[in-house]
Amino acid sequence: DTAVSQTPKYLVTQMGNDKSIKCEQNLGHDTMYWYKQDSKKFLKIMFSYNNKELIINETVPNRFSPKSPDKAHLNLHINSLELGDSAVYFCASSQGLTAAYEQYFGPGTRLTVT
Amino acid sequence: ILNVEQSPQSLHVQEGDSTNFTCSFPSSNFYALHWYRWETAKSPEALFVMTLNGDEKKKGRISATLNTKEGYSYLYIKGSQPEDSATYLCASDSSGTYKYIFGTGTRLKVLA
Repeated sequence: DTAVSQTPKYLVTQMGNDKSIKCEQNLGHDTMYWYKQDSKKFLKIMFSYNNKELIINETVPNRFSPKSPDKAHLNLHINSLELGDSAVYFCASSQGLTAAYEQYFGPGTRLTVT
Repeated sequence: ILNVEQSPQSLHVQEGDSTNFTCSFPSSNFYALHWYRWETAKSPEALFVMTLNGDEKKKGRISATLNTKEGYSYLYIKGSQPEDSATYLCASDSSGTYKYIFGTGTRLKVLA
C-alpha cells in the first residue's frame, strides 16, 4: 500500500495548457506539502496545508493553485504552463505541522513543458 | 549562515569504509533538523528528526549528531555498503515558520 501517491508520474504538455497533479496520502496525516525540484536538484517548498488550511505559500506564481478537498488529498493545478515550470514536483505529508515530524514523500511527478 | 549547506557535494568510498558528511544550518531560532536518504529514481525517505542540542540518533550503521549552538549536524555511516549509495539530504526549520529549507545533498557512491 503506497503511503503517499501522486498521479500522473509523467506529464508532457505544451506551453499555455492547464494541468493538474493529484496527491493522496493514506497515513492519516494532518499536513501535506508540495515541493519543486529545480534544475539544480534543490527541493524547494511551494505550499503546505494543515487540516485543509493553507499554511505556506512560498512566493509561487499565482498560476499555481493548490486545492485540498480533504486532509488526505492535496492537488496542484497549474494554469498557462510555461517552459520554466518543467521540473519534478513532489508531494509530501507529515503527522502535523511541528518540525518534530518527519515528512513522507510521494514518488514525484516529472512535468515537461514543450 | 542563511541557508542550509551540505558538504561534501559528492564522495566515493570503498565498501567497508566509514564516512561522514556535514550539514550546516542557521543556528538562531532553531526548531528541527531532518536527515533524508534519497535513492535514484525513488523519493526521499526520512532517517532522523533531531530537535535537541547534543542529540545523537542511530539507525543500524547510520548515526547523526546535532549541535544547534554552532549550527551543524554530522551524519556517519559505519562500514559503508553499496546499498548505502544515495543522496543524503538535510533540511532545517530554523524560523519556526514550518518551512523546511533543504540542502543540496551529499551524493554518496560506495564502490564494491
